[in-house]
Amino acid sequence: KQEVTQIPAALSVPEGENLVLNCSFTDSAIYNLQWFRQDPGKGLTSLLLIQSSQREQTSGRLNASLDKSSGRSTLYIAASQPGDSATYLCAVNQGGSEKLVFGKGTKLTVNP
Amino acid sequence: DTGVSQDPRHKITKRGQNVTFRCDPISEHNRLYWYRQTLGQGPEFLTYFQNEAQLEKSRLLSDRFSAERPKGSFSTLEIQRTEQGDSAMYLCASSRSYGYTFGSGTRLTVV
Repeated sequence: KQEVTQIPAALSVPEGENLVLNCSFTDSAIYNLQWFRQDPGKGLTSLLLIQSSQREQTSGRLNASLDKSSGRSTLYIAASQPGDSATYLCAVNQGGSEKLVFGKGTKLTVNP
Repeated sequence: DTGVSQDPRHKITKRGQNVTFRCDPISEHNRLYWYRQTLGQGPEFLTYFQNEAQLEKSRLLSDRFSAERPKGSFSTLEIQRTEQGDSAMYLCASSRSYGYTFGSGTRLTVV
């Protein structure tokens, strides 16, 4: 059974700092991995999707990497801003299934 | 294209009542998903439709839960005889190939 773990559970940083969020998964037979952002009481916004054959994806100040063999992904946020404050969720799409398996998320607070 | 729309945004119901939620996916998306999220947890998969066919269903979806997607367009999720443990955010997502677009969710509170 696929399990996704995100560390840390919460992170508080000063504005302008670069930071890394970690995601690990137990079964490396994944189809893709996605990072989402969730604001309090809201739905999920897709940030980056990495196919199993890719190593990384970039969008603006965000960079996500994938090491499928070790079951790890990182989300790098450069020059953090207070508007980045949210919960960041990692999810994997297992081969042979349509469902996403999510981690519990990392709650990020960026202090002005 | 206005994204994935869910209705209602909030629902408060008494234990034992039936509730129904609606999801309108992005029009060209043939895949539709329902997830449930409780406080402090990541979303958990409930069910998946490709067009009008329900192709995958989680064991979380007990006999009290039923989902439909008539004509492959909007979808409904019904919960019968609600219990306090059903209180959660119910999220709908749609997709055409890979990569999901989520709606804002329906927050259900069972009192």
